[in-house]
Amino acid sequence: DTAVSQTPKYLVTQMGNDKSIKCEQNLGHDTMYWYKQDSKKFLKIMFSYNNKELIINETVPNRFSPKSPDKAHLNLHINSLELGDSAVYFCASSQDLGGRSPLHFGNGTRLTVT
Amino acid sequence: SQELEQSPQSLIVQEGKNLTINCTSSKTLYGLYWYKQKYGEGLIFLMMLQKGGEEKSHEKITAKLDEKKQQSSLHITASQPSHAGIYLCGADRGVTNAGKSTFGDGTTLTVKP
Repeated sequence: DTAVSQTPKYLVTQMGNDKSIKCEQNLGHDTMYWYKQDSKKFLKIMFSYNNKELIINETVPNRFSPKSPDKAHLNLHINSLELGDSAVYFCASSQDLGGRSPLHFGNGTRLTVT
Repeated sequence: SQELEQSPQSLIVQEGKNLTINCTSSKTLYGLYWYKQKYGEGLIFLMMLQKGGEEKSHEKITAKLDEKKQQSSLHITASQPSHAGIYLCGADRGVTNAGKSTFGDGTTLTVKP
């Protein structure tokens, strides 16, 4: 029973294409996130959603558009992919937005843009 | 500059040896988390520290938060190959920065059998 699951695990695509990554959590958490981990393993927050509402958008290009159909799902759509978008994208969830509950992470989606 | 700095960036130890990883914040922390990441997997939550001077242990891993709540250390006793991975510290920045959990840049641990 995977708590936070994201698909696909690997994504290889060409520049200019549009792609989506899906994420689902079965923990009953209110808050979900997208993080980007670059080649140096640095983990940076992209978006945060609380009860389907966008809370944080950390200066992410508008080619990236998150969508939360319900509080158990947070998808990430990326338009016009660029080489610099290559990274591992992690979905995560937490009990609430208060920051006092730990994040639960999915296994990541390794995106390679050629 | 990053809000959380970890040291060392990488560590290679012989199985059975003890080791310490440090995490230093440029700002006072409301709380600090430690996570472990294995290659190709997500981050696994290890421990959360919220009070100055707090210390927690899980199996052979002990984490401490200093009194000023700006530095934390993670100590592994009698390391095993199963401890290998990337260790990241993450910060709780309080309610005003809720949802903006920030992370250190990780410490890669290799344990040689």
